[in-house]
Amino acid sequence: AQKVTQAQTEISVVEKEDVTLDCVYETRDTTYYLFWYKQPPSGELVFLIRRNSFDEQNEISGRYSWNFQKSTSSFNFTITASQVVDSAVYFCALSGGDGGFKTIFGAGTRLFVKA
Amino acid sequence: DGGITQSPKYLFRKEGQNVTLSCEQNLNHDAMYWYRQDPGQGLRLIYYSQIVNDFQKGDIAEGYSVSREKKESFPLTVTSAQKNPTAFYLCASSLGASLAGELFFGEGSRLTVL
Repeated sequence: AQKVTQAQTEISVVEKEDVTLDCVYETRDTTYYLFWYKQPPSGELVFLIRRNSFDEQNEISGRYSWNFQKSTSSFNFTITASQVVDSAVYFCALSGGDGGFKTIFGAGTRLFVKA
Repeated sequence: DGGITQSPKYLFRKEGQNVTLSCEQNLNHDAMYWYRQDPGQGLRLIYYSQIVNDFQKGDIAEGYSVSREKKESFPLTVTSAQKNPTAFYLCASSLGASLAGELFFGEGSRLTVL
């Protein structure tokens, strides 16, 4: 069975600190996709990134960066110089494996960024 | 603007009543989904539809029903058979039913059973 684990339930940082959100996944399949979504207080989830299982290159987008390591089944998300607007719940997700095209979500990490 | 519209945003229900949550999209997406979100838990898939007039059960379909008569619409009915219906419900869509599908979400409907 496939599974996504986000061990950090809540993280609190002060503005301008760097913060890393951890994500560990389980799947038996060789072809799968990993995602990160952001859920602001308004409620809707917003897509941040997709990574396929054959591409282990790290990705950087502005203050956001992602580190994908198949050897440890991890897909961690780092926010550099955090801002108050980064406060949200962040979900790591997986599609593929024995779940087919269905997307499986982790429990989410709530990030508080204090001014 | 293209997007997903869910209504109502807040809904209160008495025990024993069925309620229907609306989800409309104008993104021309083929696939649509309903997720349930409970505090401290991730999103759990209730039902999904890959194409009009077809839908499949997700991981927690008991006590729920859906229809997909139009491409744009995927309403969810929470029946009285659902034992613990109080939750936040999210509708989503994707361009196609593929592994790589980025999901687009509505703003959710919060259902409270009194």
